[in-house]
Amino acid sequence: NAGVTQTPKFRVLKTGQSMTLLCAQDMNHEYMYWYRQDPGMGLRLIHYSVGEGTTAKGEVPDGYNVSRLKKQNFLLGLESAAPSQTSVYFCASGLEKQNTEAFFGQGTRLTVV
Amino acid sequence: GQNIDQPTEMTATEGAIVQINCTYQTSGFNGLFWYQQHAGEAPTFLSYNVLDGLEEKGRFSSFLSRSKGYSYLLLKELQMKDSASYLCAVRRTFFQTGANNLFFGTGTRLTVIP
Repeated sequence: NAGVTQTPKFRVLKTGQSMTLLCAQDMNHEYMYWYRQDPGMGLRLIHYSVGEGTTAKGEVPDGYNVSRLKKQNFLLGLESAAPSQTSVYFCASGLEKQNTEAFFGQGTRLTVV
Repeated sequence: GQNIDQPTEMTATEGAIVQINCTYQTSGFNGLFWYQQHAGEAPTFLSYNVLDGLEEKGRFSSFLSRSKGYSYLLLKELQMKDSASYLCAVRRTFFQTGANNLFFGTGTRLTVIP
């Protein structure tokens, strides 16, 4: 059972470089989310999507862009990476119905130097 | 916005019972979740409350009081493998769009000692 899969798992970027994080889910969920997790800050919502072709801003969207061209994929882009974007990024899907939870990917550890 | 508070760290003894509290203030409240997260791993779902009262799942129970903005996670018969962070999360439903989002507290790091 794949569930939610994130690629890559680790990445080191230089300041100003760009990259895209890929999230794929095989549970046919409409809702997908991108979070970042920093020490002492907890998980913070970056962007989310309620369906193919739709995206919306979360709590900390600045410096990130997202796309949901296919229902199963949710991409997170960093156009010009900054050291403040060093974090662990988690993708999640689900939470659509009243009694269902969100399922998380294994995370991407990103370091910007 | 939302404000979710939980203790930063707790320590408990193997075999004992521990209660992790969570208080929240938010609009559009539509349920409270507890997740477990071991170091370096993804959060995994533990329990969910949308109505007031206690939900029991084996060694784990979760309680919710919506009027008080309060929840707790109760872990019984603690085992060493229960050493992890426990995340309290509130689901908000946005009236305008109907979208559901999950907002997290900073987590409680539980250390179980022999």
